[in-house]
Formats: sequence, C-alpha cells, structure tokens
Amino acid sequence: GEDVEQSLFLSVREGDSSVINCTYTDSSSTYLYWYKQEPGAGLQLLTYIFSNMDMKQDQRLTVLLNKKDKHLSLRIADTQTGDSAIYFCAETNQAGTALIFGKGTTLSVSS
Amino acid sequence: GAGVSQSPSNKVTEKGKDVELRCDPISGHTALYWYRQSLGQGLEFLIYFQGNSAPDKSGLPSDRFSAERTGGSVSTLTIQRTQQEDSAVYLCASSLWGGDEGTDTQYFGPGTRLTVL
Repeated sequence: GEDVEQSLFLSVREGDSSVINCTYTDSSSTYLYWYKQEPGAGLQLLTYIFSNMDMKQDQRLTVLLNKKDKHLSLRIADTQTGDSAIYFCAETNQAGTALIFGKGTTLSVSS
Repeated sequence: GAGVSQSPSNKVTEKGKDVELRCDPISGHTALYWYRQSLGQGLEFLIYFQGNSAPDKSGLPSDRFSAERTGGSVSTLTIQRTQQEDSAVYLCASSLWGGDEGTDTQYFGPGTRLTVL
C-alpha cells in the first residue's frame, strides 16, 4: 500500500542548513508536498514539487526529488529559530482523493 | 483572502455523546477533505468531497462517523456515541480542482481539538 516515511527528529543550530528526508511508495503521485505545523496550529503548505522535476527552489527552501529512488528532501538554508516546527512530507493516494502523510519530522533549532 | 475555517476550535465531550464539527472551505474550492491527527496514528484521511460526486468515505474508521457537505460548500463531520479513542485534532482542507499547476494543493484549517472524557 501507499506509505511515506520520515525520520522523526532533527536538531540544528541557528544559521546552519537543515535537510529533512522522506521516502514514498506511490510512483504515480503527480505532486509531492511539504507542510509545516507549528505548535497548536494547523498545517501550512510550504512548497510542492511536480513529479517530473528534479529540484525546486523557493527562497530558503530547496526541494530535491529522486524519482528513481522515491526519495524527497527539503533543505532549509540559514535555519532560524522560527523554523522550529514539525515538517510533513505528503504524496497523493492512488485515487487522487487524499494526501498520505509521513509521521512528521520535528525540527529543533537552537541559538 | 479568507482561508479554511473550522469550528469549534476546542470541544470537550463526555463518552457516548454525539458531536458535530464544522468546516468552511475557501470560497470557490470544489474539493473538501477531512483528516484526523492523533498522537499514535499521525495524520489519517477520513473523507473527501468533490463537487456533486459521491464522497470517498474510505477513511472513516467506523459507522459512528459521518459527514455531509451542503450546497457544495460547508461541511459537517458528525461523530455519534463518542469514545475516548476519538480524541484527536480533526483537520479540514479544501482544494481547487481543474486548474493550473498545483491547483489540487490542499489548504488546511486550524483544526478542532476534540477531547472525549
């Protein structure tokens, strides 16, 4: 079945780069997504990448997609304390009716 | 513009009672989704509405859960005879189908935190 895997925790120092990794199973997903969730808040769409792209850059965010290995990563440059949150990777289910989420990676940024 | 809104933001109920959770999608969005976020299970899909099509109910965990969407806009998720394991944050999302790149992107509301005592 469809599944999305992420590492659960990442700790970095302010100013460093953060890289959050994700693997997925459904190669038919047209788009792959990264969402951010701050404590007590809903999910905020960070960025998405079309499945025929290898890379997408959006300000401090870089998404890399390796479709052969079904591996997606999110790089945050110059990580700030405000980036501390849970980051979810998601793919679309085969029916195209829902997102399948990973368990989320908790990013902790220390000053 | 206004995002997805949900009410109430918090709901505390007693085991066995029925609850109704409301979602107002982004104006013009034709697709609406309900998810549940709990500590043990992460984010789980519950139900999906798209226009006038029959909803995809494949994620509903039991027949105590139901949802409707009136007039293609507002949706209500109803949980009957609530159980303690229903305690979770219920998230609603909406998306715009049939447009350009990324328009099936889902935008989420702030959620309703349900606590069943």
